[in-house]
Amino acid sequence: QVQLQESGPGLVRPSQTLSLTCTVSGDSFSDASYYWSWIRQPAGKGLEWIGRVYISGSTNYNPSLKSRVTISIDTSKIQFSLKLSSVTAADTAVYYCARVNYGSGSCSNWGQGTLVTVSS
Amino acid sequence: DIQMTQSPSSLSASVGDRVTITCRASQSISNFLNWYQQKPGKAPKLLIYAASSLQSGVPSRFSGSGSGTDFTLTISSLQPEDFATYYCQQTYTSPPTFGPGTKVDIK
Repeated sequence: QVQLQESGPGLVRPSQTLSLTCTVSGDSFSDASYYWSWIRQPAGKGLEWIGRVYISGSTNYNPSLKSRVTISIDTSKIQFSLKLSSVTAADTAVYYCARVNYGSGSCSNWGQGTLVTVSS
Repeated sequence: DIQMTQSPSSLSASVGDRVTITCRASQSISNFLNWYQQKPGKAPKLLIYAASSLQSGVPSRFSGSGSGTDFTLTISSLQPEDFATYYCQQTYTSPPTFGPGTKVDIK
């Protein structure tokens, strides 16, 4: 069974860059039937899709964040990463990484989530 | 972006009740509609994908229906572990978007 685990700083200063890594365990990382996404959820609010990365390294981002987001993949480390630049308090949220089924686009497996607070 | 709405935003129900949650898309999304369950402090869990396909390991009391713009999640007999918030998600076009959620609590 695939497992995902987010890691990274829990506190980021305003205007700095948020950096998170998702480590994947299991045997599906290089399977083209899946791709890998980041999703976030501010406290008490709904879910916002940030972007995705394919095993090829191809990416797609939410237009609302596109100018500030970079998602990359490292197949040697079985990890994918999120960088969000120029953060503000509005970027404070629980950040989830997820495995996405290629056909339906459904997120079948999620990390436990990591809270990132933007504050000075 | 495709806007997703859900109704009701919250509901109170008893164990054993049949519960129906509706999700509506701002334009046709064929059957590219997924349902998730989220409990406090936990990651969402996939229940239904492609509008009506039950995710492996999910109890059969959960079912989904619909196509185009209108979709339904039904819980045939509510169990204590089903009290949670439910989200729909469209994956027809990018960016994928989620509904605002429906909170199901104990009556």
